[in-house]
Amino acid sequence: GQNIDQPTEMTATEGAIVQINCTYQTSGFNGLFWYQQHAGEAPTFLSYNVLDGLEEKGRFSSFLSRSKGYSYLLLKELQMKDSASYLCAVRDRRDSNYQLIWGAGTKLIIKP
Amino acid sequence: ETGVTQSPTHLIKTRGQQVTLRCSSQSGHNTVSWYQQALGQGPQFIFQYYREEENGRGNFPPRFSGLQFPNYSSELNVNALELDDSALYLCASSRRQGGEEKLFFGSGTQLSVL
Repeated sequence: GQNIDQPTEMTATEGAIVQINCTYQTSGFNGLFWYQQHAGEAPTFLSYNVLDGLEEKGRFSSFLSRSKGYSYLLLKELQMKDSASYLCAVRDRRDSNYQLIWGAGTKLIIKP
Repeated sequence: ETGVTQSPTHLIKTRGQQVTLRCSSQSGHNTVSWYQQALGQGPQFIFQYYREEENGRGNFPPRFSGLQFPNYSSELNVNALELDDSALYLCASSRRQGGEEKLFFGSGTQLSVL
């Protein structure tokens, strides 16, 4: 079946580094996305991985290991505005169609 | 600003009623997908339309239906509303190109079923 797991909540300190993990099980893996969602707002795109390895974009980096069904989002130099939910989503291919399977999200709380 | 607009922003209905939610996609996008997001949960995929045809559906009953119009705007219709249908409904548009197909989300419609 399809399953995506990520921690429910994490707490970190302003200026520090935090790693949010995501593990997944899908039958037709076709890429993994990370989205950020502030309370009461729509998700916004952060990163995309389809090959193994690390993708870096400024303060945010995302890593993928397809053989382990594992990804992480790394946030550096944390700022208060980074307090949000971080959603891991896997694109699953079935026949010729695709759909995104989403995790429940990790609520990240940044403390001064 | 994603260029994706949804209407209405909030809606209150009673059980058994029908509702239509609307979405205008970002210019140049030919794919639209709809999601249901309960409080504290991730989005659940309802269905996706590509060039006016449904080409993917999640585990939602047939009373959830949709349309995509030639101008790539879209509707989500829900019949026989149930209390559990109360959620945030998100529309996302994208341009199908394989690879990094980013979704651009609207701000959502908050539906409350009483």
